[in-house]
Amino acid sequence: DAGVIQSPRHEVTEMGQEVTLRCKPISGHDYLFWYRQTMMRGLELLIYFNNNVPIDDSGMPEDRFSAKMPNASFSTLKIQPSEPRDSAVYFCASSAQRNYGYTFGSGTRLTVV
Amino acid sequence: QKEVEQNSGPLSVPEGAIASLNCTYSDRGSQSFFWYRQYSGKSPELIMFIYSNGDKEDGRFTAQLNKASQYVSLLIRDSQPSDSATYLCAVTKGRRALTFGSGTRLQVQP
Repeated sequence: DAGVIQSPRHEVTEMGQEVTLRCKPISGHDYLFWYRQTMMRGLELLIYFNNNVPIDDSGMPEDRFSAKMPNASFSTLKIQPSEPRDSAVYFCASSAQRNYGYTFGSGTRLTVV
Repeated sequence: QKEVEQNSGPLSVPEGAIASLNCTYSDRGSQSFFWYRQYSGKSPELIMFIYSNGDKEDGRFTAQLNKASQYVSLLIRDSQPSDSATYLCAVTKGRRALTFGSGTRLQVQP
């Protein structure tokens, strides 16, 4: 299995631009999670899906952030418009069960200038 | 009060020694507990999980859980320089996703 695949690995964008991060979970995993990691705040949950349905989006910072999971093999996290404070590493993770360990992707390092 | 607390470190131990990493959590109803390792610039990877009070061993790693004290620990025996990383404690309850601590940086000195 190729694991959780995220793209792009690095993204540098200007403030105000739209950013789309992509994730392909491990086949057969029914849970997909989006986390954000910064030095100041650590690893924070943004949103998670179960069987393509958003279950908990309480960690989504504000309306500028949106996430979709149109099918079991693909999810996107969109930021529009982006701001410098959105600079972070964004991780996607998947799991066969909610209380099992998660497998993380390699992450997307986002820099908003 | 943070939901999951860890000492940021660094915790420095000599090669071959036992490294002891600690974590406390605030929600007494927490049910499942996880330890992840994260090398610099890499993604977190699962080391162990524990659900019941007591000890759970896996190779050089032992997880310890004390729900009465709301305390989880990870022991690494015969520490190696390759164990140098940040160790993240995570907890969950009910339908909630994992909540992570800020991590403890471990340095194993050759």
